[in-house]
Amino acid sequence: GNSVTQMEGPVTLSEEAFLTINCTYTATGYPSLFWYVQYPGEGLQLLLKATKADDKGSNKGFEATYRKETTSFHLEKGSVQVSDSAVYFCALSGQGAQKLVFGQGTRLTINP
Amino acid sequence: GAVVSQHPSRVICKSGTSVKIECRSLDFQATTMFWYRQFPKQSLMLMATSNEGSKATYEQGVEKDKFLINHASLTLSTLTVTSAHPEDSSFYICSAHSADRLEQPQHFGDGTRLSIL
Repeated sequence: GNSVTQMEGPVTLSEEAFLTINCTYTATGYPSLFWYVQYPGEGLQLLLKATKADDKGSNKGFEATYRKETTSFHLEKGSVQVSDSAVYFCALSGQGAQKLVFGQGTRLTINP
Repeated sequence: GAVVSQHPSRVICKSGTSVKIECRSLDFQATTMFWYRQFPKQSLMLMATSNEGSKATYEQGVEKDKFLINHASLTLSTLTVTSAHPEDSSFYICSAHSADRLEQPQHFGDGTRLSIL
């Protein structure tokens, strides 16, 4: 079945540092890939997505590229801010499917 | 703005009480709604999938008599935790799918923090 594995946390960085959170997946066919962010005490918000190979999703300075050859969708940001502190989830949905399969989540803390 | 409203955001009640959580899609019709449970510092665990007008499909290991799900309209699904006990304390999140809002497969509510004393 489909699965998502993401970098274990927690991750702690200083403000303005470079961020990478690794995500790899296993899926049949051509899944869509997502990064969601969860701020404390809240639900999930879509951060970015990519629906086909080599697509790059981007939002709020975050980027991730759909790499089919390495089955990866790593999240990056060039300069993090304290307000980026949250839990980040990598997820996929199968081709045409509604269900989401989530990674285990990575807690990110940015110190001033 | 928020497209899925979940209510209440927090509830504290005594053991043995039944608790109802509502999930509403605000500006679209949700043909399918999903209910998740999230334990502290863990990922989301899908509990069940509900389609409007039909019985919910529960994931393996989820007690359907314990977690009653109703999806009576295209904009409302409810989760009732029956005779709740401290081990039911958790963060519950709903999401909704609409064929008219395909920018993402599911739109999430803000979650309900349930604490059973």
